Amino acid sequence: ETGVTQSPTHLIKTRGQQVTLRCSSQSGHNTVSWYQQALGQGPQFIFQYYREEENGRGNFPPRFSGLQFPNYSSELNVNALELDDSALYLCASSTPTSGHYEQYFGPGTRLTVT
Amino acid sequence: DAKTTQPNSMESNEEEPVHLPCNHSTISGTDYIHWYRQLPSQGPEYVIHGLTSNVNNRMASLAIAEDRKSSTLILHRATLRDAAVYYCILRDVGGAQKLVFGQGTRLTINP
Repeated sequence: ETGVTQSPTHLIKTRGQQVTLRCSSQSGHNTVSWYQQALGQGPQFIFQYYREEENGRGNFPPRFSGLQFPNYSSELNVNALELDDSALYLCASSTPTSGHYEQYFGPGTRLTVT
Repeated sequence: DAKTTQPNSMESNEEEPVHLPCNHSTISGTDYIHWYRQLPSQGPEYVIHGLTSNVNNRMASLAIAEDRKSSTLILHRATLRDAAVYYCILRDVGGAQKLVFGQGTRLTINP
């Protein structure tokens, strides 16, 4: 069974640019959540996708957007990057039932904005 | 989202038990108590969860106070691999699947 994978591992972007991060969910999982983790902080919920639809959103501006594909993989897009967007971006996959108690996280993408 | 309070850091020795406390005085009747941990350079990992009764699994035990205002994660025999940040999280059973992480407790294990 393949776990949650994310790409790329590391990324450096310039302020004002746009970035796309990718996540492949664990086999059989149709729900994907994205989190942002600033250095020294706990992860913060960005949004969740279920069956290709956004299914809940945290306190993040609209320049954070996402997609989920028919194979349940997902993308996180961030436009007009700001220095404060530098963080570890985590995705987590689950099923509608198991996700209420257990979510499986990927290793994250480390984004640095200069 | 109900709030949890954990010590910023704790230290223990290898092969000894570790008790990680969590206070959640505003917990509601439908809130489950979840524990996740995050090893260095990895994403968070589910550890255990419970509602009212104490729970055991292969990784740890969860002891829940009778009034549910606090809980303790117990690692019975710590190893160096257990060094991580441990997060105590409350989730409403009927709520969204989002996890609301606090600062967590950074656990250091001494050899």
